[in-house]
Amino acid sequence: DQQVKQNSPSLSVQEGRISILNCDYTNSMFDYFLWYKKYPAEGPTFLISISSIKDKNEDGRFTVFLNKSAKHLSLHIVPSQPGDSAVYFCAATHNNNDMRFGAGTRLTVKP
Amino acid sequence: DTAVSQTPKYLVTQMGNDKSIKCEQNLGHDTMYWYKQDSKKFLKIMFSYNNKELIINETVPNRFSPKSPDKAHLNLHINSLELGDSAVYFCASSSRLAGGTDTQYFGPGTRLTVL
Repeated sequence: DQQVKQNSPSLSVQEGRISILNCDYTNSMFDYFLWYKKYPAEGPTFLISISSIKDKNEDGRFTVFLNKSAKHLSLHIVPSQPGDSAVYFCAATHNNNDMRFGAGTRLTVKP
Repeated sequence: DTAVSQTPKYLVTQMGNDKSIKCEQNLGHDTMYWYKQDSKKFLKIMFSYNNKELIINETVPNRFSPKSPDKAHLNLHINSLELGDSAVYFCASSSRLAGGTDTQYFGPGTRLTVL
């Protein structure tokens, strides 16, 4: 059962523009959400997270928005840079129990 | 220094063989995990160990046996390998401090190919 879904397998954006990666979840018990970034032949690396008590968390060019009523979160990258090209995984957890991942979205930022 | 390391990086083997993948973390974390990234690119948790004790054991065939000799190591042993075991396996670790959050640090992955 895929409790975390990333419905867009890929996204292409021009350098300098905004990248918006979306994630939906089905389990209303999730209380912590994370985004991981993965380059080829490397493991996922933590990027940014948000607790369910917040609706926004910002870290530099990266902002995560959480809409609990819609069970939806999104990652905004502004401005996008070619080095941001990677696969982005959305993940969710409840009470620090096992983490559920989406299938990932491959972001390509074109110069 | 690599925080979470896995060996080998690539593993090609025949069906029916037994193989092990090793994982070590030097972050001082107390919890370690094994994930399988399937053909659809989903990262699915297989096992979780906290302080050398098994916490999570998802529906994984008992041909897969994790072994944690100490808090810094969680090895994955697979018996009687099958074609469907071909995947990339990721080890991860985190620190489950009270009230803390579960940010996991991943190893580089081991690509297992069963012929």
